[in-house]
Amino acid sequence: EDQVTQSPEALRLQEGESSSLNCSYTVSGLRGLFWYRQDPGKGPEFLFTLYSAGEEKEKERLKATLTKKESFLHITAPKPEDSATYLCAVKSGGSQGNLIFGKGTKLSVKP
Amino acid sequence: GAVVSQHPSWVICKSGTSVKIECRSLDFQATTMFWYRQFPKQSLMLMATSNEGSKATYEQGVEKDKFLINHASLTLSTLTVTSAHPEDSSFYICSARGSGTGQFFGPGTRLTVL
Repeated sequence: EDQVTQSPEALRLQEGESSSLNCSYTVSGLRGLFWYRQDPGKGPEFLFTLYSAGEEKEKERLKATLTKKESFLHITAPKPEDSATYLCAVKSGGSQGNLIFGKGTKLSVKP
Repeated sequence: GAVVSQHPSWVICKSGTSVKIECRSLDFQATTMFWYRQFPKQSLMLMATSNEGSKATYEQGVEKDKFLINHASLTLSTLTVTSAHPEDSSFYICSARGSGTGQFFGPGTRLTVL
């Protein structure tokens, strides 16, 4: 069964304190790993798609990396406006093209 | 990126009434639309997938007679929660995907059933 596990569940950082969020997955044939940002009471906002191990993508203070078992979302020198829940999702050959989401990591960045 | 809208953004209704939520893709044609439900501190759970002009495919455990989905055009899908009960209170999010595009999410609809 396809599974996505995110850790930690919650992360509190001081402004400027870099850290990483983890997304571990077990799927039957990865067809893509997706990172989304979700603000309270809002729908997910697309950040990145990664398709193969070794791939990296960057956007401002965020950098996503992918291995065969997990993905990391690195946050460099975060700012308070980076506070949100970050969701990881995978699309596998066994999920009929549907996204399978993790529970998310709630990030809080204090000034 | 592509824009997906939902209406209403929130709704409060009495138990036993029906509620319709609209989902529109504003700047692309959505060949496939998805409906998710999200409870507090939980992940998004896929309820159903619909292709334009076809009947929706429901996930296991989702009652198709309770959650009616219509995908009548390439830019509009509706979810109707029939005979809503307090346990149906949740955050409902739609998502749309076009041919050759990624999957984009709407802003969500907060449903509260009294």
